This record gives sequence, structure tokens and C-alpha cells, in this order.
Amino acid sequence: GENVEQHPSTLSVQEGDSAVIKCTYSDSASNYFPWYKQELGKRPQLIIDIRSNVGEKKDQRIAVTLNKTAKHFSLHITETQPEDSAVYFCAASIGGNNRLAFGKGNQVVVIP
Amino acid sequence: EPEVTQTPSHQVTQMGQEVILRCVPISNHLYFYWYRQILGQKVEFLVSFYNNEISEKSEIFDDQFSVERPDGSNFTLKIRSTKLEDSAMYFCASSEGGRGNAYGYTFGSGTRLTVV
Repeated sequence: GENVEQHPSTLSVQEGDSAVIKCTYSDSASNYFPWYKQELGKRPQLIIDIRSNVGEKKDQRIAVTLNKTAKHFSLHITETQPEDSAVYFCAASIGGNNRLAFGKGNQVVVIP
Repeated sequence: EPEVTQTPSHQVTQMGQEVILRCVPISNHLYFYWYRQILGQKVEFLVSFYNNEISEKSEIFDDQFSVERPDGSNFTLKIRSTKLEDSAMYFCASSEGGRGNAYGYTFGSGTRLTVV
């Protein structure tokens, strides 16, 4: 299978707090896991990605962790700011052509 | 920074009409994709294209859809006879490589298709 499940569907956090979004995937051959941020009416923007040979990757306030055994990966946003409010999609690569299977998205609301 | 460009940004069409959505992938990329996103829903894979042919397609990509790379730069999605349920944002994407090498996976800004 190629399901990508994303939890929770909506997350509200106070400005300055951390936000964590989790995704699970079912295809054991998946080896590329990007996270996208999408603002209303705009395209998904890649914010961070991780490959299967790495367990964790960090870029300033954003980090992604991957557990291949458990088939889940998580997005961590620290010191959240109002401009972090958006829909976040996780994805996992499927097949030899690296097409992406997306999760359903997570609406993150940062409360000032 | 290299971009994937899509035209038009918004297309309104009558049900039953044909539409062609255009994309210019990043020049050194080898894999091209079309995805769609119905309003408020997740992004869904339609088709991947490599070496001038379709390499994979989803169940959504039925006989009314086709893709073409007519020259060295454009990558088009044609919908032959549009239906109301084809209304969605269509995203083109490209990447440098296949399995284990999805470098530079980049989405275009999308074409919003409205079928009336």
C-alpha cells in the first residue's frame, strides 16, 4: 500500500510554543520524505525533506525526524510565529519514479 | 533559484470543452509530474513522465487525460472533455532523478481550473 496518514488534522499553538505533526506511511520502499507548507491559494512550498539514510535533519526552527522501522516521520517547529500558520503536508516517495503520496494536510494555527 | 512555471494561472472552461495546461519544468530535470488538488483536499498524483513517455499514472488519469512534451521545454496536460469534477488546482512538478535521487523536487505555482 501507499497510504500516508497525517495527525492531527488541526493544531493550534500559542506563539513561541512548539508544534509537532506526525505522519505514518505504509510503503517500506519509500526513501524520500518531504514536508510542504501551503498558504491559501498558493502552491506547496518545500520546507524540509529527509532521506531514508538519515534519522534527523534540522534547518533553523524546523526539524524532521524519521523512524524507518516504525514507518513514521515528524515535523517539529520550534518558537512558532504567526507566519507559521498554514497547511502542512507530509509526503513519501513511491516507486522508481519518486512520485509523491501526500497526507491529508494539517492546519496549523499560531495564536499571537 | 530555478522555477517550474505554469500557464495559465487560472482557466475557466465550459463542461465538455478541451483544455490544455502548460508547464515548463526546470531545464536539467528528467522526471516530470502532474498533480491536482481539489479545494480543501490533499494533493493527488496524476501522472509521471520520463524519457518521453508516461512512466506511471494513477486511477484518476483516465482516457480523457493525456500528457505531452512537444518540444525540449514544455510539458502539457490535456483534458479532452472536461467535467465539473475536474475543477481543481493542477500542479506540475519536476525532479532531477528517480528512485533514491529525488533532488530538486519542485512544484509550479499551479493552474486553477474551473469547469462551469
